[in-house]
Amino acid sequence: GQQVMQIPQYQHVQEGEDFTTYCNSSTTLSNIQWYKQRPGGHPVFLIQLVKSGEVKKQKRLTFQFGEAKKNSSLHITATQTTDVGTYFCAGGRGAGSYQLTFGKGTKLSVIP
Amino acid sequence: GAGVSQSPRYKVTKRGQDVTLRCDPISSHATLYWYQQALGQGPEFLTYFNYEAQPDKSGLPSDRFSAERPEGSISTLTIQRTEQRDSAMYRCASSLNGWGYNEQFFGPGTRLTVL
Repeated sequence: GQQVMQIPQYQHVQEGEDFTTYCNSSTTLSNIQWYKQRPGGHPVFLIQLVKSGEVKKQKRLTFQFGEAKKNSSLHITATQTTDVGTYFCAGGRGAGSYQLTFGKGTKLSVIP
Repeated sequence: GAGVSQSPRYKVTKRGQDVTLRCDPISSHATLYWYQQALGQGPEFLTYFNYEAQPDKSGLPSDRFSAERPEGSISTLTIQRTEQRDSAMYRCASSLNGWGYNEQFFGPGTRLTVL
């Protein structure tokens, strides 16, 4: 079945440093969504990418969807302590499938 | 409601007992999903509903797991004859509808512990 791999599993950064997490799928995706889960919280939707090569920005966050629609990345510029949490990518299979396959997530720690 | 709610928030049960978890989605949302999330892992799809229809049960781990949404709003997930490996966070999410790849709104989850 579809697998979504996410790396790194953990990332510790000094406040102000940049952070990137990568997501790779074994199959072509119809779309990819990114979620953030704060410690003790639930996943909260950040963004959705649908088009090949798409790039979207939200303030300090930049999201990319690969040309082959099999990989994606999330880059955070100048991390802040409020960025702490686990970032999940979730790939959609499309073709009438409502399933999202989540990666294992990247847990980000920010050292003040 | 304002968001997705789930009850109970915590459930401790003994092996072999049945448990039923409840999800109350956002009222305008047609699509409802159930996920199982182990500690340190991402949510794993169990099943979903479009209103009361349940087109995909492929993620349910065994026939001990079943879900209902009889009136197209509140949903329940029942685990029969619980086993220790069923211990996990069970999350419900809802979306406006499944088309157009809508964002999913997650509830706070039910932490199930099977002793």
